[in-house]
Amino acid sequence: NAGVMQNPRHLVRRRGQEARLRCSPMKGHSHVYWYRQLPEEGLKFMVYLQKENIIDESGMPKERFSAEFPKEGPSILRIQQVVRGDSAAYFCASSPLAETYNEQFFGPGTRLTVL
Amino acid sequence: QQQVKQSPQSLIVQKGGISIINCAYENTAFDYFPWYQQFPGKGPALLIAIRPDVSEKKEGRFTISFNKSAKQFSLHIMDSQPGDSATYFCAATSGNSGYALNFGKGTSLLVTP
Repeated sequence: NAGVMQNPRHLVRRRGQEARLRCSPMKGHSHVYWYRQLPEEGLKFMVYLQKENIIDESGMPKERFSAEFPKEGPSILRIQQVVRGDSAAYFCASSPLAETYNEQFFGPGTRLTVL
Repeated sequence: QQQVKQSPQSLIVQKGGISIINCAYENTAFDYFPWYQQFPGKGPALLIAIRPDVSEKKEGRFTISFNKSAKQFSLHIMDSQPGDSATYFCAATSGNSGYALNFGKGTSLLVTP
Protein backbone atom coordinates (compact mmCIF):
# COMPACT_ATOMS: atom_id res chain seq x y z
CA ASN A 1 0.00 0.00 0.00
CA ALA A 2 1.71 3.14 -1.17
CA GLY A 3 1.99 5.96 1.30
CA VAL A 4 0.85 9.52 0.84
CA MET A 5 2.30 10.88 -2.36
CA GLN A 6 3.10 14.49 -3.04
CA ASN A 7 4.40 16.09 -6.17
CA PRO A 8 6.39 17.82 -7.13
CA ARG A 9 8.93 17.30 -4.36
CA HIS A 10 10.61 20.57 -5.20
CA LEU A 11 9.08 23.55 -6.94
CA VAL A 12 10.70 26.82 -7.90
CA ARG A 13 8.57 29.76 -8.88
CA ARG A 14 9.23 33.42 -9.56
CA ARG A 15 7.26 36.06 -7.73
CA GLY A 16 3.82 36.48 -9.26
CA GLN A 17 3.60 32.97 -10.71
CA GLU A 18 1.20 30.28 -9.61
CA ALA A 19 2.15 27.18 -7.65
CA ARG A 20 0.13 23.96 -7.73
CA LEU A 21 0.91 21.29 -5.19
CA ARG A 22 -0.64 17.84 -5.46
CA CYS A 23 -1.37 15.25 -2.85
CA SER A 24 -2.60 11.72 -3.35
CA PRO A 25 -3.80 10.24 -0.06
CA MET A 26 -3.25 6.69 0.98
CA LYS A 27 -5.62 4.18 -0.54
CA GLY A 28 -8.87 4.15 1.36
CA HIS A 29 -8.29 7.52 3.00
CA SER A 30 -10.88 10.18 2.35
CA HIS A 31 -9.62 12.92 4.66
CA VAL A 32 -6.79 15.23 3.69
CA TYR A 33 -5.02 17.90 5.75
CA TRP A 34 -2.53 20.46 4.45
CA TYR A 35 0.19 21.92 6.67
CA ARG A 36 2.91 24.48 6.03
CA GLN A 37 6.33 24.36 7.63
CA LEU A 38 8.38 27.53 7.62
CA PRO A 39 12.10 27.41 8.40
CA GLU A 40 12.74 26.95 12.13
CA GLU A 41 9.00 26.61 12.74
CA GLY A 42 6.65 23.79 13.46
CA LEU A 43 3.97 22.73 11.07
CA LYS A 44 0.96 25.00 10.82
CA PHE A 45 -2.45 23.67 9.88
CA MET A 46 -3.89 25.20 6.74
CA VAL A 47 -6.95 23.29 5.57
CA TYR A 48 -8.90 20.09 6.12
CA LEU A 49 -10.81 18.53 3.24
CA GLN A 50 -12.96 15.54 2.56
CA LYS A 51 -13.90 14.45 -0.92
CA GLU A 52 -15.49 17.44 -2.69
CA ASN A 53 -15.80 19.38 0.57
CA ILE A 54 -13.71 21.89 2.48
CA ILE A 55 -14.37 21.15 6.14
CA ASP A 56 -12.08 23.63 7.86
CA GLU A 57 -9.97 26.29 6.16
CA SER A 58 -9.31 28.37 9.25
CA GLY A 59 -5.55 28.15 8.73
CA MET A 60 -5.54 29.28 5.13
CA PRO A 61 -4.45 32.81 4.26
CA LYS A 62 -7.49 34.72 3.09
CA GLU A 63 -6.02 35.65 -0.26
CA ARG A 64 -4.15 33.81 -3.00
CA PHE A 65 -4.49 30.34 -1.40
CA SER A 66 -7.11 27.75 -2.30
CA ALA A 67 -7.51 24.01 -1.95
CA GLU A 68 -9.67 21.32 -3.42
CA PHE A 69 -10.14 17.58 -3.15
CA PRO A 70 -12.21 16.47 -6.12
CA LYS A 71 -14.18 13.27 -6.36
CA GLU A 72 -11.53 11.86 -8.66
CA GLY A 73 -7.84 12.69 -8.52
CA PRO A 74 -5.49 14.22 -6.01
CA SER A 75 -6.01 17.07 -3.62
CA ILE A 76 -4.59 20.35 -4.96
CA LEU A 77 -3.21 23.27 -2.98
CA ARG A 78 -3.02 26.30 -5.22
CA ILE A 79 -1.09 29.46 -4.49
CA GLN A 80 -1.65 32.33 -6.85
CA GLN A 81 0.78 35.22 -7.37
CA VAL A 82 3.40 33.71 -5.08
CA VAL A 83 5.58 35.94 -2.91
CA ARG A 84 8.90 35.20 -1.23
CA GLY A 85 7.14 34.62 2.08
CA ASP A 86 5.37 31.61 0.57
CA SER A 87 8.69 29.74 0.44
CA ALA A 88 8.20 26.80 2.76
CA ALA A 89 7.68 23.06 2.90
CA TYR A 90 4.08 22.07 2.35
CA PHE A 91 2.95 18.74 3.74
CA CYS A 92 -0.26 16.93 3.27
CA ALA A 93 -1.53 14.19 5.53
CA SER A 94 -4.32 11.72 5.05
CA SER A 95 -6.50 9.84 7.47
CA PRO A 96 -9.06 7.13 6.92
CA LEU A 97 -11.64 8.56 9.25
CA ALA A 98 -11.84 11.78 11.22
CA GLU A 99 -14.48 10.72 13.67
CA THR A 100 -11.97 8.93 15.84
CA TYR A 101 -8.37 9.44 16.75
CA ASN A 102 -6.79 8.06 13.65
CA GLU A 103 -3.19 8.63 12.78
CA GLN A 104 -2.54 11.21 10.14
CA PHE A 105 -0.04 9.84 7.65
CA PHE A 106 2.20 12.51 6.19
CA GLY A 107 3.62 12.73 2.72
CA PRO A 108 7.24 13.68 2.01
CA GLY A 109 6.30 17.29 1.35
CA THR A 110 6.74 19.80 -1.45
CA ARG A 111 9.48 22.33 -0.93
CA LEU A 112 8.47 25.57 -2.59
CA THR A 113 11.08 28.19 -3.32
CA VAL A 114 9.99 31.58 -4.57
CA LEU A 115 12.70 33.57 -6.30
CA GLN B 1 -0.83 32.26 18.47
CA GLN B 2 1.17 29.17 19.30
CA GLN B 3 -1.29 26.80 20.94
CA VAL B 4 1.35 24.28 21.92
CA LYS B 5 4.65 25.41 23.43
CA GLN B 6 7.60 23.04 23.15
CA SER B 7 11.01 23.04 24.80
CA PRO B 8 13.90 22.81 24.47
CA GLN B 9 14.51 23.98 20.93
CA SER B 10 17.54 21.73 20.66
CA LEU B 11 18.98 18.94 22.73
CA ILE B 12 22.25 17.03 22.74
CA VAL B 13 22.36 13.71 24.57
CA GLN B 14 25.02 11.07 24.80
CA LYS B 15 24.30 7.58 23.56
CA GLY B 16 22.55 5.62 26.25
CA GLY B 17 21.21 8.72 27.98
CA ILE B 18 17.65 9.91 28.46
CA SER B 19 16.20 12.55 26.16
CA ILE B 20 13.36 14.62 27.60
CA ILE B 21 11.19 17.01 25.60
CA ASN B 22 8.41 19.03 27.19
CA CYS B 23 5.22 20.55 25.86
CA ALA B 24 2.48 22.69 27.33
CA TYR B 25 -0.93 23.72 26.04
CA GLU B 26 -3.74 26.05 27.02
CA ASN B 27 -6.81 24.77 25.23
CA THR B 28 -8.62 22.41 27.60
CA ALA B 29 -10.62 21.03 24.67
CA PHE B 30 -7.55 19.21 23.41
CA ASP B 31 -7.95 15.51 23.99
CA TYR B 32 -5.38 13.78 21.81
CA PHE B 33 -1.65 14.35 22.06
CA PRO B 34 0.63 12.73 19.47
CA TRP B 35 4.38 13.01 19.06
CA TYR B 36 5.88 13.03 15.59
CA GLN B 37 9.45 12.30 14.51
CA GLN B 38 10.87 13.95 11.42
CA PHE B 39 14.13 13.20 9.63
CA PRO B 40 15.66 15.74 7.24
CA GLY B 41 13.87 15.83 3.92
CA LYS B 42 11.07 13.58 5.12
CA GLY B 43 7.54 14.04 6.34
CA PRO B 44 6.69 13.66 10.02
CA ALA B 45 5.89 10.15 11.22
CA LEU B 46 3.79 9.30 14.25
CA LEU B 47 5.92 8.06 17.12
CA ILE B 48 3.52 7.66 20.02
CA ALA B 49 0.27 9.28 21.17
CA ILE B 50 -1.74 9.62 24.36
CA ARG B 51 -5.22 10.57 25.44
CA PRO B 52 -5.82 12.42 28.72
CA ASP B 53 -7.54 9.51 30.42
CA VAL B 54 -4.11 8.02 31.20
CA SER B 55 -1.07 9.66 32.77
CA GLU B 56 1.58 7.63 31.01
CA LYS B 57 2.03 5.55 27.89
CA LYS B 58 5.08 3.52 27.02
CA GLU B 59 6.09 1.97 23.72
CA GLY B 60 9.54 0.45 23.71
CA ARG B 61 12.08 3.13 24.59
CA PHE B 62 9.55 5.94 24.18
CA THR B 63 7.30 7.13 27.01
CA ILE B 64 4.76 9.95 27.15
CA SER B 65 3.99 11.43 30.55
CA PHE B 66 0.81 13.47 30.76
CA ASN B 67 -0.24 15.93 33.49
CA LYS B 68 -3.80 17.05 32.80
CA SER B 69 -4.04 19.53 35.67
CA ALA B 70 -0.84 21.27 34.63
CA LYS B 71 -1.71 20.98 30.93
CA GLN B 72 1.70 19.57 30.20
CA PHE B 73 3.03 16.47 28.54
CA SER B 74 6.50 15.20 27.82
CA LEU B 75 8.37 12.65 25.76
CA HIS B 76 11.10 10.54 27.31
CA ILE B 77 13.47 8.59 25.10
CA MET B 78 15.31 6.01 27.15
CA ASP B 79 18.67 4.61 26.10
CA SER B 80 18.92 7.22 23.35
CA GLN B 81 20.67 6.06 20.17
CA PRO B 82 22.37 7.99 17.35
CA GLY B 83 19.55 6.80 15.08
CA ASP B 84 17.13 8.78 17.25
CA SER B 85 18.75 12.00 16.03
CA ALA B 86 15.84 13.83 14.41
CA THR B 87 13.40 16.64 15.01
CA TYR B 88 10.54 15.83 17.37
CA PHE B 89 7.22 17.61 17.35
CA CYS B 90 4.53 17.43 19.96
CA ALA B 91 0.99 18.15 18.86
CA ALA B 92 -2.50 18.46 20.27
CA THR B 93 -5.94 18.27 18.77
CA SER B 94 -9.58 17.60 19.45
CA GLY B 95 -12.63 16.45 17.62
CA ASN B 96 -13.94 20.00 17.76
CA SER B 97 -11.24 20.99 15.29
CA GLY B 98 -11.71 18.00 13.03
CA TYR B 99 -8.51 16.61 14.44
CA ALA B 100 -6.35 19.21 12.73
CA LEU B 101 -3.05 19.03 14.54
CA ASN B 102 -1.61 21.97 16.47
CA PHE B 103 2.14 21.46 16.51
CA GLY B 104 4.87 22.71 18.78
CA LYS B 105 7.87 24.33 17.12
CA GLY B 106 9.95 21.20 17.36
CA THR B 107 13.04 19.97 19.16
CA SER B 108 16.15 19.07 17.26
CA LEU B 109 17.70 16.08 19.02
CA LEU B 110 21.30 15.03 18.47
CA VAL B 111 22.49 11.83 20.09
CA THR B 112 26.26 11.64 20.15
CA PRO B 113 28.12 8.31 19.98
